[in-house]
Amino acid sequence: AQKVTQAQTEISVVEKEDVTLDCVYETRDTTYYLFWYKQPPSGELVFLIRRNSFDEQNEISGRYSWNFQKSTSSFNFTITASQVVDSAVYFCALNFIGGSNYKLTFGKGTLLTVNP
Amino acid sequence: EAGVVQSPRYKIIEKKQPVAFWCNPISGHNTLYWYLQNLGQGPELLIRYENEEAVDDSQLPKDRFSAERLKGVDSTLKIQPAELGDSAVYLCASSLGVDSTDTQYFGPGTRLTVL
Repeated sequence: AQKVTQAQTEISVVEKEDVTLDCVYETRDTTYYLFWYKQPPSGELVFLIRRNSFDEQNEISGRYSWNFQKSTSSFNFTITASQVVDSAVYFCALNFIGGSNYKLTFGKGTLLTVNP
Repeated sequence: EAGVVQSPRYKIIEKKQPVAFWCNPISGHNTLYWYLQNLGQGPELLIRYENEEAVDDSQLPKDRFSAERLKGVDSTLKIQPAELGDSAVYLCASSLGVDSTDTQYFGPGTRLTVL
């Protein structure tokens, strides 16, 4: 069975602070994909990144960076110099590769509030 | 390119009434998903379509929920009769192919309130 744990229910920071959102996953599969989605108050889940289990290189996209560590089953997300527009619920998700009965498993999400 | 379109955005009904949600996926996307998102939780899959075929409906409560995807494009999810516990956000997503590696893109959801 697959499981995604986002231990931080809510985080509050002041604008321009750096913030890291934690994601720990469990899976028996050796090949899988990990995702991060952002859900602003408007409700739509916005795709941020997809990372496969073979690629442990960290990735940076503007103020966003992701740290994938297979040894600790973690896929953490860091926002540098946070902005008010970053306020949203962030979801980490897992999907195994292959087979016909795949399912995207989400964590419970972390509510990030960036205060001006 | 237009994203996933859902309507209505909000729906308030009384219990035991029927309700329907509509979804139009991204053009060219073959796979369509319906998810249920309860307050404070991540989305959970209800049903997945590959073209017009429902290939995974194991999580759909079939006594009151039904879905269809005629012609393999847009889809409708129906609840009849609605119960208080059905109050949630219903999300539709689509992906390009039928492979598990494809990224799913989500619509804005329909927030259902059952009184």
